[in-house]
Amino acid sequence: DIQMTQSPSTLSASVGDRVTITCRASQTIDNWLAWYQQKPGKAPNLLIYKASSLESGVPSRFSGSGSGTEFTLTISSLQPDDFATYYCQQYKSYSTFGQGTKVQIK
Amino acid sequence: EVQLVESGGGVVQPGRSLRLSCAASGFTFDDYAMHWVRQGPGKGLEWVSRISWNSGGIDYADSVKGRFTISRDNAKNSLYLQMSSLRAEDTALYYCAKDRTGGGSYLFDYWGQGTLVTVSS
Repeated sequence: DIQMTQSPSTLSASVGDRVTITCRASQTIDNWLAWYQQKPGKAPNLLIYKASSLESGVPSRFSGSGSGTEFTLTISSLQPDDFATYYCQQYKSYSTFGQGTKVQIK
Repeated sequence: EVQLVESGGGVVQPGRSLRLSCAASGFTFDDYAMHWVRQGPGKGLEWVSRISWNSGGIDYADSVKGRFTISRDNAKNSLYLQMSSLRAEDTALYYCAKDRTGGGSYLFDYWGQGTLVTVSS
């Protein structure tokens, strides 16, 4: 099974900050990596797929990079609507999610 | 507009069974694989099961293999999850999720709002 590890688990930031979340896979997943945003009481929402492709309708301040085993999600300028929990997901072999990164107000 | 509406959750005793349903609309249901993904209380996301567009491909997470059965009725635009021999650790919010492809890429582009299953005596 492929394990996914995110860091940090919690991140405190202010509006306008540049935010970076890291995700590591236990073995290579090429670029079969997605990022989801989840707000309290809501279902996850797909942001990025294939490591760096922006899902339709997602603001361009979100970007993804990486390949192999190391990946990052970057929010270029944090907006009030972005305070949420973010999950990475590998889909090279079935599906495994990271444990999540909660982005909270500093 | 894509809509996925889950139902069938509730409180059930350990060892008993429960059947979840997901009603889909806003897309051509029989063109896409579908999944169940769950989230324990205060926990992360766990993929549970996949079914391809024509039910020819089915997979389960090891944690539910042999106890859960996924199925679909394309004529009714519906997805199902039959859960048996339920355990306390199956307590979770169960989401229905649409795949990006028909066979199953495991990329989930639309999710329902979930139905809560609580396993407790």
